[in-house]
Amino acid sequence: QVQLMESGGGVVQPGRSLRLSCAASGFTLNNFALHWVRQAPGKGLEWMTFISFDGSVKYYADSVKGRFTISRDNSKNTVYLQMNSLRDDDTAVYYCARGAPSGANFLDCWGQGALVTVSS
Amino acid sequence: DVVMTQSPLSLPVTLGQPASISCRSSQSLVYSDGNTYLNWFHQRPGQSPRRLIYKVSNRDSGVPDRFSGSGSGTDFTLKISRVEAEDLGVYYCMQGTHWPLTFGGGTKVEIK
Repeated sequence: QVQLMESGGGVVQPGRSLRLSCAASGFTLNNFALHWVRQAPGKGLEWMTFISFDGSVKYYADSVKGRFTISRDNSKNTVYLQMNSLRDDDTAVYYCARGAPSGANFLDCWGQGALVTVSS
Repeated sequence: DVVMTQSPLSLPVTLGQPASISCRSSQSLVYSDGNTYLNWFHQRPGQSPRRLIYKVSNRDSGVPDRFSGSGSGTDFTLKISRVEAEDLGVYYCMQGTHWPLTFGGGTKVEIK
């Protein structure tokens, strides 16, 4: 079964850092681009960041540019989201989802989400 | 950034009746390769989003044929021919043509 799984969520104080991981089962994540999408409590979906299958291309939403960094370790079949200088409004469920926009697999598989709560 | 505007915000429906959701983009979603990267997602409470439609009108595997997507340029529509109980939840359109990628604000489909 094709699945993505996020880990690393939790409660963190404003200004601190947290790193999320996204791992795959049922397919080889190395062959796919990967996105992070978040959803604040009771709100809609917000696209955050993208990394190409080989890590050579990255894009970020303005709201996280300069604070969040996406990376991948294809030897570990894992994609990471390093979140620095966290703010209250970064509180959300963070989903990873696969696929480049031009591909048929674009966002066809999502993880179950990792809850990040930024609070003092 | 491309702004995706969905309407209505809330859609009360009667089971067995049709429903329609509109999605408009602030710029054309036609990419340089000729494709239009407009997608529709459905999210039930407490669940992850699920893709229903990609490239305007292509239904994902396992998506019932009562769902259909249409449109072009900046104006798109998701239609449900006969709403069933499992269709309740929030629907999002999302464009994959321009960076940064952007979602519509969502349309909540609920029982009238």
